[in-house]
Amino acid sequence: DIQMTQSPSSLSASVGDRVTITCRASQSISNYLNWYQQKPGKAPNLLIYAASNLQSGVPSRFSGSGSGTDFTLTISSLQREDFATYYCQQTYSVPRTFGQGTNVEIK
Amino acid sequence: EVLLVESGGGLVKPGGSLRLSCAASGFTFNSYGMNWVRQAPGKGLEWISSISSMSNHIYYADSVKGRFTLSRDNAKGSLYLQMNSLRAEDTAVYYCARDFLHSGYYYYFDYWGQGTPVTVSS
Repeated sequence: DIQMTQSPSSLSASVGDRVTITCRASQSISNYLNWYQQKPGKAPNLLIYAASNLQSGVPSRFSGSGSGTDFTLTISSLQREDFATYYCQQTYSVPRTFGQGTNVEIK
Repeated sequence: EVLLVESGGGLVKPGGSLRLSCAASGFTFNSYGMNWVRQAPGKGLEWISSISSMSNHIYYADSVKGRFTLSRDNAKGSLYLQMNSLRAEDTAVYYCARDFLHSGYYYYFDYWGQGTPVTVSS
């Protein structure tokens, strides 16, 4: 199975900050990497698919990059509504594993 | 509007069974694969099972293999997860999610239900 490791597990940031979250796969997954945002008590919401493609309706301050084993999710200017938990997911192979999540908190 | 509505969760004793359902609407159900993802209290997301549009490919996480059975009824637009031999560690919110295939290569979960909670406790 492919293991997905996110870092950091949590971070504190202020509105307007640039935030970067990293996801590393235990083996190469090309660009079969998705990012989701989840707010408390809600279902996850797709942000980025195929490593760098912005899902329709997602603000352009979100961006993704990477290929192979190393990926990043960047929020260019953090907004209040972005405080949430973020998960990466690989769909290169089954099981379609998620990272453990990164909780973005208000500083 | 795409809607996925889960039901069937509840409290069950260890060793018991539950059947979860996911009712889909707003899209051509038989054109999409579907998934179940769960989230234990305070924990992250865990993919547990997926089924192709015509049920010819079904996959399970090792944690549920042999105990859970995924099926679908395309005529009814519904997805089912039969959960047997339940354990305390199966306690979680269970989400169904639609599988989207982009450009013939990239899968992602583009729509999710609101989740149904399952508690396994004596």
